[in-house]
Amino acid sequence: DADVTQTPRNRITKTGKRIMLECSQTKGHDRMYWYRQDPGLGLRLIYYSFDVKDINKGEISDGYSVSRQAQAKFSLSLESAIPNQTALYFCATSGTGRADTQYFGPGTRLTVL
Amino acid sequence: SQQGEEDPQALSIQEGENATMNCSYKTSINNLQWYRQNSGRGLVHLILIRSNEREKHSGRLRVTLDTSKKSSSLLITASRAADTASYFCATGVNNDMRFGAGTRLTVKP
Repeated sequence: DADVTQTPRNRITKTGKRIMLECSQTKGHDRMYWYRQDPGLGLRLIYYSFDVKDINKGEISDGYSVSRQAQAKFSLSLESAIPNQTALYFCATSGTGRADTQYFGPGTRLTVL
Repeated sequence: SQQGEEDPQALSIQEGENATMNCSYKTSINNLQWYRQNSGRGLVHLILIRSNEREKHSGRLRVTLDTSKKSSSLLITASRAADTASYFCATGVNNDMRFGAGTRLTVKP
């Protein structure tokens, strides 16, 4: 079984809709991350959480919000989706700091029409 | 902003050849990591090298780090078609980690 799972794997939505991407992990890690990947731009950090009570903005948090429901669950919401949020979204975890090894989920491909 | 920059952006080789990818960065780092991504999938951690280390090996992978030149290289020896993927370097600075845009490696059978 995968250590980091993401749902849904693919999602097509329309401009203005609110959507939620979910992430669960069984690694027992405190630290969780949401990244966005666009072609040619590598990964950019949206939000990260070091524990259930700790939420931090990353490089590109505008238009996104997150919820850390439990140690194992970290959700990303797009309050009002727009086409330039079309991208591949990854959740990741790490056992210690952000600079240590991160373990990635399989990704969610989001298309906003 | 991206910290590491990979070079080349794309690399195509024949099976059995060695593949070398480079990563340059701008500021001092605590560590540097290499990840692999198969098409459309999550990144998989390959190797981490700390700033006080110069070389590390893992199977067919060899990573070097030159902190004076602010650069690292990833060598894959005896490449296989299954090595076809994108490879990313990620630089760890204090409690921050930044990914480069990646090198797309194609290994032809």
